[in-house]
Amino acid sequence: DAGVIQSPRHEVTEMGQEVTLRCKPISGHNSLFWYRQTMMRGLELLIYFNNNVPIDDSGMPEDRFSAKMPNASFSTLKIQPSEPRDSAVYFCASSWTGFVDTQYFGPGTRLTVL
Amino acid sequence: GESVGLHLPTLSVQEGDNSIINCAYSNSASDYFIWYKQESGKGPQFIIDIRSNMDKRQGQRVTVLLNKTVKHLSLQIAATQPGDSAVYFCAEIAYNQGGKLIFGQGTELSVKP
Repeated sequence: DAGVIQSPRHEVTEMGQEVTLRCKPISGHNSLFWYRQTMMRGLELLIYFNNNVPIDDSGMPEDRFSAKMPNASFSTLKIQPSEPRDSAVYFCASSWTGFVDTQYFGPGTRLTVL
Repeated sequence: GESVGLHLPTLSVQEGDNSIINCAYSNSASDYFIWYKQESGKGPQFIIDIRSNMDKRQGQRVTVLLNKTVKHLSLQIAATQPGDSAVYFCAEIAYNQGGKLIFGQGTELSVKP
């Protein structure tokens, strides 16, 4: 198995631009998670999908952030417009079923907003 | 436990020695605990987990101890190797709080050859 796949691995953009991060979960996993990691705040859960349906988006910072999961094998996290404080590493993780099962993390996308 | 800061706690050990990484968690209702290892430039990787009805669990070269009385979790790594150098996170889940995985601050383990 290829594991969780994320793209791009690195993204550098200018303030105000739209950024789209992509994730392909492990095949067969029913749950998908988006996390953000910064030195100041550590790892924070942004949103959690189960069977392609958003279950908890209380961690999404503000309306500039949105996430979709159109099918079981693909999810996007979009930031529009981006701001310098959005600079972080964004991780996607998947599990068989929710938080009870082990979450497998992707390699992350390092986002830099100038 | 969860804290905010610019500098991670660091543990430096000699290759071959045993390592003990500690974690204080915040929620006495937490039911499930996980240790993750994160190497530079990679995502967190599952190491070992433990349920709240246990106080010890062993894996390959790793042991997790849970002390619910003082809300303390530890990860013991036997015969530490250079490949063990990474940041180690404890994470907790409280099912009565939505079951979210809450990560601790992390501890950086540095293994000297």
